[in-house]
Order: sequence, then C-alpha cells, then structure tokens
Amino acid sequence: DVKVTQSSRYLVKRTGEKVFLECVQDMDHENMFWYRQDPGLGLRLIYFSYDVKMKEKGDIPEGYSVSREKKERFSLILESASTNQTSMYLCASTGGAGGRGKLFFGSGTQLSVL
Amino acid sequence: LAKTTQPISMDSYEGQEVNITCSHNNIATNDYITWYQQFPSQGPRFIIQGYKTKVTNEVASLFIPADRKSSTLSLPRVSLSDTAVYYCLVGDPQAGTALIFGKGTTLSVSS
Repeated sequence: DVKVTQSSRYLVKRTGEKVFLECVQDMDHENMFWYRQDPGLGLRLIYFSYDVKMKEKGDIPEGYSVSREKKERFSLILESASTNQTSMYLCASTGGAGGRGKLFFGSGTQLSVL
Repeated sequence: LAKTTQPISMDSYEGQEVNITCSHNNIATNDYITWYQQFPSQGPRFIIQGYKTKVTNEVASLFIPADRKSSTLSLPRVSLSDTAVYYCLVGDPQAGTALIFGKGTTLSVSS
C-alpha cells in the first residue's frame, strides 16, 4: 500500500524558531508537494519539486524554503516561524506507473506557532 | 494554470444523488480532471479522474462535456459518511508542474 508519511501530527513552536517539517514517500514518486490549509481558504500550494534537488515556488512561498536531497524525502523549512504560519501542513506526492494521475497525501501536520 | 470554480457548499439528504459541478474554462490540452474527498483532520484522498466523456468507478461518476470547460462529480445515493469537502483539481500530475486546488465544496448530508 502506498504511503506518504509526515514526521509529526502536531507541533508547537515559538515565534522565531526554525522549524522543519519532514515528508517521506515510499512510492518512488518524482513529484512532491507542500500545501497549507486554513479554514475557508482550501489547499494552497507552497512549494513543489519534480526531481531531486529541484524545487519550484507555488502560490505562497514567502517565509518558507524546501529541501529535496533524496527522491523519497521532501522537507519544508520555516526559517523564522511566525504566528501567521500556524496552519495545517499537508505533503503529497505523485508519479510513477502506479500513481499516475493520483496525488497521495500524508495525514498532515498541525503546526501552532506561539 | 487552469483555475477551478466550485460551489462553496451543498446540502443533501441520505439516499439522494448529488452532483457537484466544477468550472475550468482555461483547461489545457494535457490536463486531466481529478476529484478528491477530504474529511476533517485528514489529507485529501483520490475519488476519480477523467480526461473526457464519462468515467465511472465504484464510488462515483465523472461527466465531462466535449469542450472540457466543466466537469460534474456525481455521487449516487449519498450517506452521512459522504459529508466532506470535495475538491476538483485540473492539471497534468505527471508534467512536473504546480497542482493548484480551488477552495472546494463542503457537502453536508443529513438524515
């Protein structure tokens, strides 16, 4: 069974802290995505990657960076967390013969920045 | 990038058929139309995908007219457990491009 695993389900951080959100997929997918979800705003794309070491900005990249050193892992970094980054963060992947056309999502990380 | 427009919310009763329409006027030739379902505190999950005409699987049907500028997700005989947010996504998941979601449709099913 396909799996996208996010490192933490809940996370509480202080303003100004550097925060790492990790995502690992076991499907050998080329494409990986980071979204944030806030009430009434749907899913908004932060960054995506279509290959190792490749990254592209989505709609709301400000305040975030990403890293993809290995194909299976895509990390989202908040360089200096702020309260307006309190949100649900969702990682997704797609690609490969078995996953064509389907985005597979992780369970999400609920981040609270105090 | 194709933008999508869906109704914000819909209400239904158990046993009814529900049709949710999505508009995507600037869909590109290589774009597919994919629908996802999301329950609270979970990531979205795939329901159905199509390119043109009609697609049916065990949970839903997807109707796409010839011009592909819209699509309709049809849920037959909904139950309380179908209460969720439904997203229409237009794009080519294999192209290495951004996949932009709209705001989704909140479906509420009552008994």
